[in-house]
Amino acid sequence: QQQVKQSPQSLIVQKGGIPIINCAYENTAFDYFPWYQQFPGKGPALLIAIRPDVSEKKEGRFTISFNKSAKQFSLHIMDSQPGDSATYFCAASSFRNAGNMLTFGGGTRLMVKP
Amino acid sequence: NAGVTQTPKFRILKIGQSMTLQCTQDMNHNYMYWYRQDPGMGLKLIYYSVGAGITDKGEVPNGYNVSRSTTEDFPLRLELAAPSQTSVYFCASSNNRAEQYFGPGTRLTVT
Repeated sequence: QQQVKQSPQSLIVQKGGIPIINCAYENTAFDYFPWYQQFPGKGPALLIAIRPDVSEKKEGRFTISFNKSAKQFSLHIMDSQPGDSATYFCAASSFRNAGNMLTFGGGTRLMVKP
Repeated sequence: NAGVTQTPKFRILKIGQSMTLQCTQDMNHNYMYWYRQDPGMGLKLIYYSVGAGITDKGEVPNGYNVSRSTTEDFPLRLELAAPSQTSVYFCASSNNRAEQYFGPGTRLTVT
């Protein structure tokens, strides 16, 4: 079954804190793992993505950590800011998937308090 | 480029009515998708298309239909609307195995 499980559902941190959002998957054929950020009333937008040949990827304050053996990956937001308050979705897709379809996690609503 | 555009932004339907949600992309992307997002939930794939004239079902296709006559347009048709179809609908497009670009969404209420 192509599922991606995401936790926690919601998260509140103080400004400057490091929120961590975790995702776990089952399908070993998954080979592309993006994170999307969604602000209220907007569509999701790609934030950062990783492929399983690396264990970590950083882009600015955002870092993905990937553990292939555990089939888990996580998003870390360094020095979080109130403007990072949004819903974050992890996702996964497989090269065997002719339609490039993404399977999404359930989302994490992040609030960063000033 | 406008990216992915969706119309309408909001719509209220009565049970049993039909409507078409419009989606257009100007990036010449081959792949297009329709998702629904229920409150507090993730995105579920309804239908997708890998090119003009080719469509296929996603995870939750029941109650919906699509067509893809051009590269740019991918309308979603709701027949006999039901309260369970109350949701926010997102259209997305992609040209490779990387980024999917999402539209702003259509908020649909069926009462």
